[in-house]
Amino acid sequence: QKEVEQDPGPLSVPEGAIVSLNCTYSNSAFQYFMWYRQYSRKGPELLMYTYSSGNKEDGRFTAQVDKSSKYISLFIRDSQPSDSATYLCAMSPILDNYGQNFVFGPGTRLSVLP
Amino acid sequence: NAGVTQTPKFRVLKTGQSMTLLCAQDMNHEYMYWYRQDPGMGLRLIHYSVGEGTTAKGEVPDGYNVSRLKKQNFLLGLESAAPSQTSVYFCASGSRYTFGSGTRLTVV
Repeated sequence: QKEVEQDPGPLSVPEGAIVSLNCTYSNSAFQYFMWYRQYSRKGPELLMYTYSSGNKEDGRFTAQVDKSSKYISLFIRDSQPSDSATYLCAMSPILDNYGQNFVFGPGTRLSVLP
Repeated sequence: NAGVTQTPKFRVLKTGQSMTLLCAQDMNHEYMYWYRQDPGMGLRLIHYSVGEGTTAKGEVPDGYNVSRLKKQNFLLGLESAAPSQTSVYFCASGSRYTFGSGTRLTVV
């Protein structure tokens, strides 16, 4: 079993839909959870960063962590064609400045159709 | 402000050839990283550096070497390229990871 699992997609939705992207993990030590967005032929860019369980909202994006289920989600409201990208989750057991403990999921490819 | 710049963007190598990938950042970050990204595998850490003159191995270091002679530059070397090293290579810097746009390497 991989440490972090993500449905690779592709996930296709119509413009304006609510999108739910998910990751499951096996390491109960993970405390810090990140979501990255990666456009085609570009590097990933950090979208959201949360600690432990709970929700965090930033504009149209909401990150949700359920540590009891080892499950994290990213919701995108009013999805736009510009949201079409691959979304990577990443997690870490500790908040260190070195980042070598980050574990990335393989990514989910999202297409928002106009 | 360029952020993280990777050169070259594309490269085709023959098996056994060597090459160096350059990563440059202008954000004065101490931490820099080299990752490879393969379909279905996610990003895997090759080597990282926590400051000028320091380097350390990540998850998949075999076949690669790195150097951090200057704070702003982090070099990734392949001494004898193998087809298994065909991948997209990303450099990142900083504790929250600012990524470059990647180098697409094909080894034939």
